[in-house]
Amino acid sequence: RKEVEQDPGPFNVPEGATVAFNCTYSNSASQSFFWYRQDCRKEPKLLMSVYSSGNEDGRFTAQLNRASQYISLLIRDSKLSDSATYLCVGLRSGYALNFGKGTSLLVTP
Amino acid sequence: NAGVTQTPKFQVLKTGQSMTLQCAQDMNHEYMSWYRQDPGMGLRLIHYSVGAGITDQGEVPNGYNVSRSTTEDFPLRLLSAAPSQTSVYFCASSRAGGENTEAFFGQGTRLTVV
Repeated sequence: RKEVEQDPGPFNVPEGATVAFNCTYSNSASQSFFWYRQDCRKEPKLLMSVYSSGNEDGRFTAQLNRASQYISLLIRDSKLSDSATYLCVGLRSGYALNFGKGTSLLVTP
Repeated sequence: NAGVTQTPKFQVLKTGQSMTLQCAQDMNHEYMSWYRQDPGMGLRLIHYSVGAGITDQGEVPNGYNVSRSTTEDFPLRLLSAAPSQTSVYFCASSRAGGENTEAFFGQGTRLTVV
């Protein structure tokens, strides 16, 4: 069982919709969490870090619940350009990243 | 800014051949790692290094060797290529530690073993 589990989707949503992705982790030793975005056939790139207090970056909101070992990403007012795979990532030991399998999002006109 | 540079971008090997995937970073990052990405499997850690002269195995190390003689370079060697090693390989680097650790990835190497 992977340390970080995600629903693979795909999530198909219309432009302007709000969509939420969830992720659970099994290793309580994971120190920090991130959401990465990966476009088709490209390398992953950091979208945002996830803090226990919750954090927001424009249309994106990330939340971490350590008690439930649960991470979320909310995207408001979806754009066509948000279509990508979103990777939930846990950081162990200061540098070892554990990736979920990714959740695929397709935003349609 | 070069960031993380991987070469080659594409490679076709015959079963049993060996080759080295190159990875270089110019950000003076301590941590470097290699991942493979397969459909439905996500990114899986092959080997990683926390500094020059220090390497360790990740989740799927069999069939691969690494070395870290300098901070900048972290090559991945396939000793005797097998069809099961057909995959997309990503090299990544980051500073060590904390909530603000961002991993930077190379553009990937698409390897096919026939």
